Amino acid sequence: AAGVIQSPRHLIKEKRETATLKCYPIPRHDTVYWYQQGPGQDPQFLISFYEKMQSDKGSIPDRFSAQQFSDYHSELNMSSLELGDSALYFCASSLGGDYSISGGRGYNEQFFGPGTRLTVL
Amino acid sequence: SQKIEQNSEALNIQEGKTATLTCNYTNYSPAYLQWYRQDPGRGPVFLLLIRENEKEKRKERLKVTFDTTLKQSLFHITASQPADSATYLCALGGENTGFQKLVFGTGTRLLVSP
Repeated sequence: AAGVIQSPRHLIKEKRETATLKCYPIPRHDTVYWYQQGPGQDPQFLISFYEKMQSDKGSIPDRFSAQQFSDYHSELNMSSLELGDSALYFCASSLGGDYSISGGRGYNEQFFGPGTRLTVL
Repeated sequence: SQKIEQNSEALNIQEGKTATLTCNYTNYSPAYLQWYRQDPGRGPVFLLLIRENEKEKRKERLKVTFDTTLKQSLFHITASQPADSATYLCALGGENTGFQKLVFGTGTRLLVSP
C-alpha cells in the first residue's frame, strides 16, 4: 500500500540558510500535518492543512511557513535556520476531518511518513 | 496544566508475556486516542485508534482500553515477541486538543527479550 513520501530524507544546512521539505500524502488523503521531533522528544505539532487551507496551527516559528498544493502535496519552508531547528520533521496525512467545516468530530487516523532529518551546522 | 504521561522508564519483559503500557492524561477531554509504534529514526507507525465512547479495541495481539473517568488508556501486547521492541507513543486528539493536531505522550520504550 502507498505510504506518505517525504523528501529529502536527510538535509544538512548552515545557520541562516533556508530549507524546503516536501510531503506527498497517501493517495486520496486530503489532510496533511507537520510535526517536529527533537532528539529524545515526542513529536510536536507544527501546522496542518485540509483541502489546501490551513486548518490548525501549533508551535510553528514565524520563520517557518507551509502550504498545501492542488495535488495535496505540502511543503514546509524554513528560513533563517538556527541550530535548534535540527530535528526530525514528520509529515502525516489523513482522510478528511476538519471540525469547523463538517461541524462534527472527525476521527482521523494519521499516517506518518519516514521523516526528514534536518541538521543545521 | 495539560499533561500526558507514559512510563518514562523502559519496560523489560520476556518473550511470550503480555506487555501493558499506560497513558495517563490531565486537563484534556480527548475525542479519541491513538497508539503508535516508533523505531529509532523512523516515523511513528499507527497501531490503534479508540474513541471516547469506546471502552476497548482489539487488533490481532493488541488491545487498547480507554477510561475517560480515570483519564487513562492501557495498551496491551499479548504473546510479545522481540520484534515488538520499540517505543510506543500515545496521542490524544479532538476539539480539546485543538482541532486536528495530535498531542503526544513522552513514549514508553519496550524491550522484549528472548
